[in-house]
Amino acid sequence: DQQVKQNSPSLSVQEGRISILNCDYTNSMFDYFLWYKKYPAEGPTFLISISSIKDKNEDGRFTVFLNKSAKHLSLHIVPSQPGDSAVYFCAASARRASGTYKYIFGTGTRLKVLA
Amino acid sequence: NAGVTQTPKFRILKIGQSMTLQCTQDMNHNYMYWYRQDPGMGLKLIYYSVGAGITDKGEVPNGYNVSRSTTEDFPLRLELAAPSQTSVYFCASSHREGSGNTIYFGEGSWLTVV
Repeated sequence: DQQVKQNSPSLSVQEGRISILNCDYTNSMFDYFLWYKKYPAEGPTFLISISSIKDKNEDGRFTVFLNKSAKHLSLHIVPSQPGDSAVYFCAASARRASGTYKYIFGTGTRLKVLA
Repeated sequence: NAGVTQTPKFRILKIGQSMTLQCTQDMNHNYMYWYRQDPGMGLKLIYYSVGAGITDKGEVPNGYNVSRSTTEDFPLRLELAAPSQTSVYFCASSHREGSGNTIYFGEGSWLTVV
């Protein structure tokens, strides 16, 4: 049961245009969402996050939007740069019955920004 | 700024062999995690620890063991390696869990079992 879904395995965008990466989730108990970027042969690095009490968070060229009613979040990159070419994972956090938290990751979207 | 360091980066194991993936963090984080990533899949949690001496199973713990004797170190032990354990392994840590907390990852360990 994939609770966090990234339905687009890949995306190509022209340099300077907007990149929109999407993520859907099924568990309404998720209260915190994160985006990670991963280059080949490296570990994922944190990009941006959003709490479930917000619907938007911005950091420079990166903006994350959360639509709780649709259980959907998206990452916008404007303008896209060739260095943004990587795999992007979304992740969601929810509390376990034990009281600790679990993080569920999507399968990733490979973004290619064309020069 | 080392962050999360894991070794080895690459390893080839024969079926039935055992090995330990080492992980250390220098951020004084309480929480540490081991994930594996199979091709085309998301990250799956193997084991996690909420502090020294405390560990618990994640989604896919079978075939693995962990220990947490210090805050800094969280080794992952593979006993009797199987081809299904061919994967990329990521160690990670966070100060706390839950809303507002970021997980920091190591660079990964590529393991092939033949």
